[in-house]
Amino acid sequence: QSALTQPASVSGSPGQSITISCTGTSSDVGGYNYVSWYQQHPGKAPELMIYEVSNRPSGVSNRFSGSKSGNTASLTISGLQAEDEADYYCSSYTSSSTLVFGTGTKVTVL
Amino acid sequence: QVQLQESGPGLVKPSGTLSLTCAVSGGSISSSNWWSWVRQPPGKGLEWIGEIYHSGSTNYNPSLKSRVTISVDKSKNHFSLKLSSVTAADTAVYYCATGIAVSGTCAFDIWGQGTMVTVSS
Repeated sequence: QSALTQPASVSGSPGQSITISCTGTSSDVGGYNYVSWYQQHPGKAPELMIYEVSNRPSGVSNRFSGSKSGNTASLTISGLQAEDEADYYCSSYTSSSTLVFGTGTKVTVL
Repeated sequence: QVQLQESGPGLVKPSGTLSLTCAVSGGSISSSNWWSWVRQPPGKGLEWIGEIYHSGSTNYNPSLKSRVTISVDKSKNHFSLKLSSVTAADTAVYYCATGIAVSGTCAFDIWGQGTMVTVSS
């Protein structure tokens, strides 16, 4: 299975909004609402930020939001803060009953 | 709350078998959750390896399926990963993960701290 496609890097200034895309196929992202997003700081385990396309786990800031259109899912971070600087990964359930992660996006706060 | 802890050798010889265990605490491995392994080579992205249900049902990444075995030991409340015929490309941080509050959504809200495994002679 091929990794979902994410931009290698996205940057923004504090207070701005940024959006990270996650492109798959009709056999994964486009076929199911089981898209998740993870934040990973250096040397740390990933942390779940969004599940089922747009749901936030308890404790996750409402500055993080998710959406999906066709085969592309998106994570938007509004009111960008220095602490948001990290790597972000999407994941999706697939038609083969497996999971696939995205290629990862490094978010830089300018 | 559920916590996960990986354990196993940090160094494995090429062509050998990588064996890791994930201990589950604060909850039962027999609960209605799938238990997964995820790895991350140094400086690279996340890769899903596979998952197991307490019944023993498994799903594996097709690219690793021929070399991977995931098993569960309910008496010890842990699950394990075996990866055979390893090469340097299998060098990575290995995480165990599961979804507890988000059970049934194919998402992981609980992760182990990760354990680094190096394949080298």
